[in-house]
Amino acid sequence: SYVLTQPPSVSVAPGQTARITCGGNNIGSKSVHWYQQKPGQAPVLVVYDDSDRPSGIPERFSGSNSGNTATLTISRVEAGDEADYYCQVWDSSSDHPGVFGGGTKLTVL
Amino acid sequence: QVQLVQSGAEVKKPGSSVKVSCKASGGTFSSYTISWVRQAPGQGLEWMGRIIPILGIANYAQKFQGRVTITADKSTSTAYMELSSLRSEDTAVYYCARDGSGYEGGLDYWGQGTLVTVSS
Repeated sequence: SYVLTQPPSVSVAPGQTARITCGGNNIGSKSVHWYQQKPGQAPVLVVYDDSDRPSGIPERFSGSNSGNTATLTISRVEAGDEADYYCQVWDSSSDHPGVFGGGTKLTVL
Repeated sequence: QVQLVQSGAEVKKPGSSVKVSCKASGGTFSSYTISWVRQAPGQGLEWMGRIIPILGIANYAQKFQGRVTITADKSTSTAYMELSSLRSEDTAVYYCARDGSGYEGGLDYWGQGTLVTVSS
């Protein structure tokens, strides 16, 4: 089945830019979705289809996808952005169509 | 406003089954795929399976084949996930989530989660 690889943790100071990567074989040919999850809460979709934002998600959240790496970029990071972030794709040709990355803990210093 | 409201927490014995419900409101239930995702304590998200209510077709992650059954009742806008032969490793929070594009898009609405504890 398809595998998505994320760094376990990323740290950034407030006001700086955080970049969270998601690696997968030729992931650029797939649509990547990103979720934010805070402790004790359900995940929230922050980017879909590589780079689109749902309504209500700040413009500070953006995404890109090319080659073997997709990236979630959070500009002007705030303390409230501290959370776990997961990438996700669909791989319908496999026996495990829904695939999540292992998650990245974003720490705001 | 779309809402997915799940049934309450469950405590089950090893070897038994659990059935979790997910009632949708505020949208067109049948047109959107519903996925089930679980999260063990301190762990990441794990996709289990999905159903297209309008077709009644479900498919599952290979890992759960034969143990999980996902169904949908269009008349009550409710999806169900039943997991059988429970073991301690199935202790987790179980979420339902709607596919915002209808099929293979981002999961834009999530239920609040249902904690299932498997313990003797």
